[in-house]
Amino acid sequence: EAGVAQSPRYKIIEKRQSVAFWCNPISGHATLYWYQQILGQGPKLLIQFQNNGVVDDSQLPKDRFSAERLKGVDSTLKIQPAKLEDSAVYLCASSLVGGGDNEQFFGPGTRLTVL
Amino acid sequence: AQSVAQPEDQVNVAEGNPLTVKCTYSVSGNPYLFWYVQYPNRGLQFLLKYITGDNLVKGSYGFEAEFNKSQTSFHLKKPSALVSDSALYFCAVSGNTGGFKTIFGAGTRLFVKA
Repeated sequence: EAGVAQSPRYKIIEKRQSVAFWCNPISGHATLYWYQQILGQGPKLLIQFQNNGVVDDSQLPKDRFSAERLKGVDSTLKIQPAKLEDSAVYLCASSLVGGGDNEQFFGPGTRLTVL
Repeated sequence: AQSVAQPEDQVNVAEGNPLTVKCTYSVSGNPYLFWYVQYPNRGLQFLLKYITGDNLVKGSYGFEAEFNKSQTSFHLKKPSALVSDSALYFCAVSGNTGGFKTIFGAGTRLFVKA
């Protein structure tokens, strides 16, 4: 079974530039999550999708971050414009359903450095 | 509000000795509790979870965890540590009332010395 795929693995940009990350979840998984993991901290949920609908985006900085999952499969997370404090690893995860009792399967992450 | 605390930034143990990585939580209602492990340059991997039932749950790689409702704890344990267990361990909780957002602890780095 293929795991969660993410690209790119690494990205370096200057502040005020834009960047996009892509995620392909495990086939058949209805729920997709984007997390931000700052060095030395645990992952923080940015947005959770159930199929192509948003379940929770309460911690997504909506003035600069956006995410979509148009066909209920792949997802894209965008930052525009980036700030220095956005430097982090962005993790995508998926689970079979989103009831809270399902374990999540994580991709390798995208390490973003904002200069 | 939900929260998770991992009181130790780092745990050091000798190979062959038992290990414990501590986790306490706060959540409304009954908790769903998880442990994940992160090896260098790899994504988080699920180890085990507690949903309901037996307080002692067993997971991958010989790990187990004990749910203690009165102490609101979910400590990760292994009877005999291996050098290959050295990694970053995260405890996570989601509540089954008012939404199911998963909150992760800050992580505990485990060093197992040969």
